[in-house]
Amino acid sequence: DVKVTQSSRYLVKRTGEKVFLECVQDMDHENMFWYRQDPGLGLRLIYFSYDVKMKEKGDIPEGYSVSREKKERFSLILESASTNQTSMYLCASSRQGAEDIQYFGAGTRLSVL
Amino acid sequence: QQPVQSPQAVILREGEDAVINCSSSKALYSVHWYRQKHGEAPVFLMILLKGGEQKGHEKISASFNEKKQQSSLYLTASQLSYSGTYFCGTELSGNQFYFGTGTSLTVIP
Repeated sequence: DVKVTQSSRYLVKRTGEKVFLECVQDMDHENMFWYRQDPGLGLRLIYFSYDVKMKEKGDIPEGYSVSREKKERFSLILESASTNQTSMYLCASSRQGAEDIQYFGAGTRLSVL
Repeated sequence: QQPVQSPQAVILREGEDAVINCSSSKALYSVHWYRQKHGEAPVFLMILLKGGEQKGHEKISASFNEKKQQSSLYLTASQLSYSGTYFCGTELSGNQFYFGTGTSLTVIP
């Protein structure tokens, strides 16, 4: 069974804290993605990575950074969390092509107080 | 570039049919459909490639009209298990991929 695991289901942080969201996949996929899910806005891409140490900005990268030191792990970093970053965060992975199926983690619901 | 889905939300009784539309302003190479049940990860349903094909998955099927840059998902004789949020994903040129705004589907007894 393919698996994408996000380290936390729920997180509560305070404004200004540095936040790390971790994602691990066991499928040897080249591509990994971080999305943000908000009601009425669907899934919006924050960053994606097509290889170790490679990253590309998505549609809403402001306030976020990412790290991919190993193929199986992709981290999303909120340098200084703000209340407007309260959201559901979803990680996904896929093989190399844009047409390839994306496999998602269960999500991390982040609340910034 | 994010595709727009309609309707935003729909409530059905068991056994009724529904259509979810996905519309893009850009030329599409392929369209994916995913379903996310409440509290769970989105799961892939099907992919439609350029060529106007129609695909089916149990009682769920989809069409892709590349000239109109649209795809539609058809759910027939809906079951309680169909409840969830449906997302289309559109592949554009240059390896770009965008998920849609989502459609919440609720099936009631």
